[in-house]
Amino acid sequence: SQQGEEDPQALSIQEGENATMNCSYKTSINNLQWYRQNSGRGLVHLILIRSNEREKHSGRLRVTLDTSKKSSSLLITASRAADTASYFCATDYFYNTDKLIFGTGTRLQVFP
Amino acid sequence: EAQVTQNPRYLITVTGKKLTVTCSQNMNHEYMSWYRQDPGLGLRQIYYSMNVEVTDKGDVPEGYKVSRKEKRNFPLILESPSPNQTSLYFCASSFFNSGGNQPQHFGDGTRLSIL
Repeated sequence: SQQGEEDPQALSIQEGENATMNCSYKTSINNLQWYRQNSGRGLVHLILIRSNEREKHSGRLRVTLDTSKKSSSLLITASRAADTASYFCATDYFYNTDKLIFGTGTRLQVFP
Repeated sequence: EAQVTQNPRYLITVTGKKLTVTCSQNMNHEYMSWYRQDPGLGLRQIYYSMNVEVTDKGDVPEGYKVSRKEKRNFPLILESPSPNQTSLYFCASSFFNSGGNQPQHFGDGTRLSIL
């Protein structure tokens, strides 16, 4: 069962522009995570945000969480060609933090 | 170097021939899990383990087996592989006994093709 869905499915921007990706999920959660995957490689953890947090920053990354709308966004500022990758959100369930459920991802292409 | 190591990285095999994909982590993590990644479907969890001798089904466990006899190893076993198990497989691990509230460390993946 799919818990999270990213939007858009694909995004193309120029270097220096900001990239915003959205994630919507279906049921209440305790935690939401964002991961990056370079083509065919393993996923790399970016940020974990808990349900009682609204915003979190890490370098050029900003994540927001709106539990009332069951949605999160990932903002990458001043993007670089090296940011080209797929980005996934992943959530647990409110009553079960054992499992991590991934969305289908947003494919980001940053042109030099 | 802290890492999750999967072997093999690539494998082409035939239907029905038993295979094992190994996963080992050197971070003393309690939690380990297996995912498969298919185009348009994202990552789907196959099995997870919260500690030695504790395993549980994920969302797509059919056709797979796992074991957790040692803390560092979590092999994925396909007893009788079929073509619909052709996929990219990832092993991941984290501290504590939860997948949801800890960052997961992923291996580089194993690409399986079953003919």
